[in-house]
Amino acid sequence: GGIITQTPKFLIGQEGQKLTLKCQQNFNHDTMYWYRQDSGKGLRLIYYSITENDLQKGDLSEGYDASREKKSSFSLTVTSAQKNEMAVFLCASSMDWGGDEQYFGPGTRLTVL
Amino acid sequence: GDQVKQSPSALSLQEGTNSALRCNFSIATTTVQWFLQNPRGSLMNLFYLVPGTKENGRLKSTFNSKESYSTLHIRDAQLEDSGTYFCAAANTNTGKLTFGDGTVLTVKP
Repeated sequence: GGIITQTPKFLIGQEGQKLTLKCQQNFNHDTMYWYRQDSGKGLRLIYYSITENDLQKGDLSEGYDASREKKSSFSLTVTSAQKNEMAVFLCASSMDWGGDEQYFGPGTRLTVL
Repeated sequence: GDQVKQSPSALSLQEGTNSALRCNFSIATTTVQWFLQNPRGSLMNLFYLVPGTKENGRLKSTFNSKESYSTLHIRDAQLEDSGTYFCAAANTNTGKLTFGDGTVLTVKP
């Protein structure tokens, strides 16, 4: 088994601020993902990384940057927080790319004032 | 249009009863995952499916790739089954996971 940790759990930012979310996994999985979940909706893919040093845009990448520092960690940056933005950001990992089972972290809840 | 459509969007069950949730896909799908999201927001893996059926306790799930749907059956519903159930389909061509908008299940005593 393994675990995915996300920091921070809650993030409050100001409009225009650059904000960074972090994710660590100890599954030794190759592929990691960042998703955004808006209230009452399903998850949408922001960025993913098939292996260390790889970076791929998802469906919602505009306004975000990502960085795969090493195999076990994947960071997401909100480049300019939008006022009244509220969402939960979920990190996931899977052994491989292309339909492998994904496991999720507990999420970071973002509020922008 | 919606690539992964879940139904119903909300469901209320009496404790001890049975029900089924459904997911229809409009994308070519290799694998399907079902998750339960608790009120704190954590996603718990329920099933990971290639075409076929799996069973785990009171839960049973089927993925029919030819007819592009998946179902999740809940037998003898318990209070702790309450939460939001999501299905997600892995696109055959891109490998990306596309989520439905979820079914909010409330089990009442």
